[in-house]
Parts: sequence; structure tokens; C-alpha cells
Amino acid sequence: QKEVEQNSGPLSVPEGAIASLNCTYSDRGSQSFFWYRQYSGKSPELIMFIYSNGDKEDGRFTAQLNKASQYVSLLIRDSQPSDSATYLCAVKNAGGTSYGKLTFGQGTILTVHP
Amino acid sequence: NAGVTQTPKFQVLKTGQSMTLQCAQDMNHNSMYWYRQDPGMGLRLIYYSASEGTTDKGEVPNGYNVSRLNKREFSLRLESAAPSQTSVYFCASSGFSDRGNQPQHFGDGTRLSIL
Repeated sequence: QKEVEQNSGPLSVPEGAIASLNCTYSDRGSQSFFWYRQYSGKSPELIMFIYSNGDKEDGRFTAQLNKASQYVSLLIRDSQPSDSATYLCAVKNAGGTSYGKLTFGQGTILTVHP
Repeated sequence: NAGVTQTPKFQVLKTGQSMTLQCAQDMNHNSMYWYRQDPGMGLRLIYYSASEGTTDKGEVPNGYNVSRLNKREFSLRLESAAPSQTSVYFCASSGFSDRGNQPQHFGDGTRLSIL
């Protein structure tokens, strides 16, 4: 079983819709969770991070964390064609380490069509 | 503000050749990382450096070596390149706060092809 799994894509949504990206993780002690966006041929770009259970909103983006269910999601409201990219979920490993080693999911490709 | 700078951006090698990928950050971050990204595999950690003077293996270290030259620079070396090392390589860095390591910031990547 992979440590971080994302919903299989590709995900296609119409412009203006809500895109929902999901991620589950296996390490129950994980404390920090990150969403990166990666355009084709480019490097990953941090868009959200969340540490506490519940929702965190930043503009059109909302990250949701449920540690009991070991589940983190990213909602994109009013999706735009410019949101078309691969979205990577990353989880900071637990175990008392302080150097922030991350485990990445395989990514979900999102396509927003006009 | 350059952030994380990687050189070169592209490189083609022959099997058995060696080369070093360079990475430098100007954000005064303590920790630095090297990843490789292959289609369908996501990002996999090769080596990391929690702080200046320390390095540790990640998920896929075989065939690679690293050097944390100083706080700013972290290099990745392929001693004898193999076609399986054809990939896109990313360097990243992160700072530290009372919540632990801050999010990682990535360089633009090095696209490496080994023939």
C-alpha cells in the first residue's frame, strides 16, 4: 500500500465548477499536509498547507483535513482553465524527525474545460 | 529573489559518464532535498540534508551521491550514469519554525537524458 494515495485521474470539470481533489495517507502520526500545483514541464508550486483538522481557505482554494479518517482534500471553487495542472498531495512524515521529509502522492491531473 | 536555482537545466549523457547537478538557495533555509520525477511515479526523494554538514538517504539513493557544500549549496552527483537515471531532477529547500519544517520550495528542475 502506498503511503500517500490520490484519487486517480484525470479529473475533468467545466469552467466555473468546483474541482475536488482527494488524498489519503497511511501514517496516522502525520502532522503537516501540503498541496502543490505543477504545470506541465514546470516545477511544483506550493498552493496550500494545513496542520489542523477542519478547513483552511485561501481565495478560491480550500484545504480540508480529517486526521481521524487520514484524509485531506483540496477544493477549487470557480475553476478556471488556468487551474489545469497536476496537483500533488504531500505529507510530512511523523516519527519525531524535524527535517520535514515529505512523501508525495502520484498526483492528479485536473483539466478545466471552457 | 532567485529562490532555488538549479544548473544545468538540460543535459544529455552517455551511459557510464559522470556529472554533478548543482543547487543553490538564497532563502537561508536549513534543509535541502533532491528528488527525481518519473511519469506516473510522482516525486521520489533521493537524498536530503537536514542542516549544513549532514546528509541522509531518501527513498531511491542508489547510484547517487550528494554534498552539502555549505548552507546555500547542495549538489547531486551521478558517478556512472545509467539509462534508468533518465528523469527530471528537482532540488528543494525548506526553513524551520516552531511547527517544524516549513513547506518546501522547488527549483526549476534539470531534465537529464542518458543514452
